[in-house]
Parts: sequence; C-alpha cells; structure tokens
Amino acid sequence: GAVVSQHPSWVICKSGTSVKIECRSLDFQATTMFWYRQFPKQSLMLMATSNEGSKATYEQGVEKDKFLINHASLTLSTLTVTSAHPEDSSFYICSATNPRGREKLFFGSGTQLSVL
Amino acid sequence: QKEVEQNSGPLSVPEGAIASLNCTYSDRGSQSFFWYRQYSGKSPELIMSIYSNGDKEDGRFTAQLNKASQYVSLLIRDSQPSDSATYLCAVNRGGSQGNLIFGKGTKLSVKP
Repeated sequence: GAVVSQHPSWVICKSGTSVKIECRSLDFQATTMFWYRQFPKQSLMLMATSNEGSKATYEQGVEKDKFLINHASLTLSTLTVTSAHPEDSSFYICSATNPRGREKLFFGSGTQLSVL
Repeated sequence: QKEVEQNSGPLSVPEGAIASLNCTYSDRGSQSFFWYRQYSGKSPELIMSIYSNGDKEDGRFTAQLNKASQYVSLLIRDSQPSDSATYLCAVNRGGSQGNLIFGKGTKLSVKP
C-alpha cells in the first residue's frame, strides 16, 4: 500500500519560534496533499490542500500567513507554523491520495506540536 | 454547514460481542464513505470504504450505507480488546477527491 512519511513525530518549541513539518509520499507521486489538525478529543479538521507547483488552498478560518505550505515536488509537502503560540499546540497530520486508489486517503504518522 | 455526526461514546462491549457504530451526514452529494480507526496519539488507519447502498463485508467488519437516510454504520463482529480505539466516520466533500469531512469519532472499549 501507499506510504506517507511525516517528520518529526513530535516537537516542543518556545513561543514565537517557527516549526517545519515535512510530509513525503514514499512510493507514489502525490500531486495533492492535505494537512489536518486535531485537538484533543476532537476530530480531524482540514487546514489546507497542498497542490504541487501552485499555491495551497486554505480552509476558512486558517491563517495562510501563519501556516505556510510549500509543495515543491510531487513527493514532498511542508507545513511551517510561523511564530508558534501555545494555542497552536495540536496534532498535525498530513495525508495524500494514491492515484491508483479510489479516494483512499493515506495518512502520515502525525506530528505532536507542543508550544511552551 | 456540511457535517458528519457520531455518538462520542464511550461504547463499551464485552469481548466476542458485536460492536455497532453509527454515523449520519448532512451532504446529500457525498458519494464516498470511510471508516477509520485511530489509536490514541496515532494517525488514522483506514478500516473500510463504501460507495453504494447496502452492506460491504471485510473479515470481522461490515459497513452499511443508506443514502436515503444519510446514514452509515460499522459493525465489528467478535470484538477483541485490540479493537479498542476511536472510530472516525468520514465522507467526501461532494466529489473532491481525498478531501474528507470527519466526524468526532466514537470511542470503543472492548472489555476482556
């Protein structure tokens, strides 16, 4: 099956710093990747759709200047949380669809971000 | 607002019993439906997908879809303690591939 790798698994940072999270499709080319955020005891909420070679599409209420998404190649998308604050502490999960699978979403292992 | 609703639980069943998880959705345009299992601190894992009305069976899992009632369910037969997790229902956003709306999940606890 398709494999999506996400790094780092967890990160602790000070308030005001920036954090970059990487998402890679290891055995397929992903023209589109998705970034989700999940707060404790809540569901996954789509933050943005990352499109290779073009600007990301952000969901309503998500600050595009704060959550920078770069999808420079068919196998890599990055999410940078700029000037992180404690309220940004959450579980961030990337995902991608395998072109050979019917709308099946393959998830990365997630990144637990804790902002002190 | 397009929504996916699930009972948050916890749903507690004894080992060997059938666990029944339910989900309703509001967008009649949804065509694809998924059940994911999520362990605490982990990312979701796809359990079942279903696209047409009726039942779909895969091992101990059966997904049921009723588009007229906008209802999808997951049955887990012969429940095992290892099935204890949060089960997320997800539906597509009116044909947008891979762009899913998730419910809040139902926490299932299988007691030995």
